[in-house]
Amino acid sequence: DIQMTQSPSTLSASVGDRVIITCRASQSIDYWLAWYQQKPGKAPDLLIYKASRLESGVPSRFNGSGSGTEFTLTISSLQPDDFATYYCQQYNSYSRTFGQGTRLEIK
Amino acid sequence: QVQLVESGGGVVKPGGSLRLSCAASGFSFSLYYMTWVRQAPGKGLEWIAHISSSGSIMSHADSVKGRFTISRDNAKNSLYLQMNSLRVEDTAVYYCARAEHSYPSDSWGQGTLVTVSS
Repeated sequence: DIQMTQSPSTLSASVGDRVIITCRASQSIDYWLAWYQQKPGKAPDLLIYKASRLESGVPSRFNGSGSGTEFTLTISSLQPDDFATYYCQQYNSYSRTFGQGTRLEIK
Repeated sequence: QVQLVESGGGVVKPGGSLRLSCAASGFSFSLYYMTWVRQAPGKGLEWIAHISSSGSIMSHADSVKGRFTISRDNAKNSLYLQMNSLRVEDTAVYYCARAEHSYPSDSWGQGTLVTVSS
């Protein structure tokens, strides 16, 4: 199975900051990568698909980039609602593995 | 609107079995791939199984292969997960989610809790 590695595991930031989360695949997945946001006790919400395409209704401060094995999620100006856990997921194969998650907390 | 409702969770002893169901509505169920994802308490998301729209192609994570089986009934707009030989480490909230062949999961259920404990 394809392994997905996210970094950092935890990120402390303030409202208005720009943050970057990285996701690495153990082999090339082209651009078949998604990013999700999850808040405690809730199901994940899809933010980005195909590495860089914004899901409908997602604010434009979320930006995804990358291809092959290296991907990033950038949040350009953190809002209070953005403090949550973020996961990447590859869907290049039938085994749709997730990264281990990045918890974004208020500094 | 799209709705996915899981059921069938509960408390079971190690070695026991459970069958989870996911009732789908608000979309053409038979056109979509479906997937099960779980989340152990305080842990991250783990993809565990995926099934094609017709049910002809299935894939399971190594952690559940041989013990869990995903299936679907398009006539009943329902997805299932048969879980056998349950282990303590299978304790988690289990989510069903829809997907497409070249698209990730955009709609999720609320999850159902499975607790494996003696």
